Amino acid sequence: KAGVTQTPRYLIKTRGQQVTLSCSPISGHRSVSWYQQTPGQGLQFLFEYFSETQRNKGNFPGRFSGRQFSNSRSEMNVSTLELGDSALYLCASSLEAGPRTEAFFGQGTRLTVV
Amino acid sequence: SQQGEEDPQALSIQEGENATMNCSYKTSINNLQWYRQNSGRGLVHLILIRSNEREKHSGRLRVTLDTSKKSSSLLITASRAADTASYFCATVLTNKLIFGTGTLLAVQP
Repeated sequence: KAGVTQTPRYLIKTRGQQVTLSCSPISGHRSVSWYQQTPGQGLQFLFEYFSETQRNKGNFPGRFSGRQFSNSRSEMNVSTLELGDSALYLCASSLEAGPRTEAFFGQGTRLTVV
Repeated sequence: SQQGEEDPQALSIQEGENATMNCSYKTSINNLQWYRQNSGRGLVHLILIRSNEREKHSGRLRVTLDTSKKSSSLLITASRAADTASYFCATVLTNKLIFGTGTLLAVQP
């Protein structure tokens, strides 16, 4: 069974630009969650999607958005990039909505904003 | 905000020794999960322990849960250099999986 796939693995963007990250969950998983990891703030929850609906959202500004498609693939978008958005962005898929079962993580997308 | 905090923040041991990491959390939980992260990579799920369980084993891993003290511990026995990684506990808060601050484990060959 293929794991969680995140693309691209690395990305360099300029302040003010926007970026879209992609996540393909494990086949059969309908829940996709996104996390931001930085040395200063650790792992922070961004949002969770289940069956194309956003179920939960963390404390991030509106510049961070996401969506989920009917095949459960998810994208997250960050607009008007700031230097502080540089981070490792991780997506996780799970069988059920909410963190009731184990989450399977992708390798992450390393975003650098210059 | 962090729901869980791991202790110690960093741990260095020799291969073959046991490593113990502790996690304290703030609110009542349904389950507590432990994850491992190798440098700059994704997280790997290790163990999920439910609130009505006190101990769980998986290979060289042993997890205990004390809901009265709101704490959990992860024991890795007979450690190997490949166990070098960051270890995180995670609990649920308002339907979100919230991770602790992590313990950085270095196993010296």
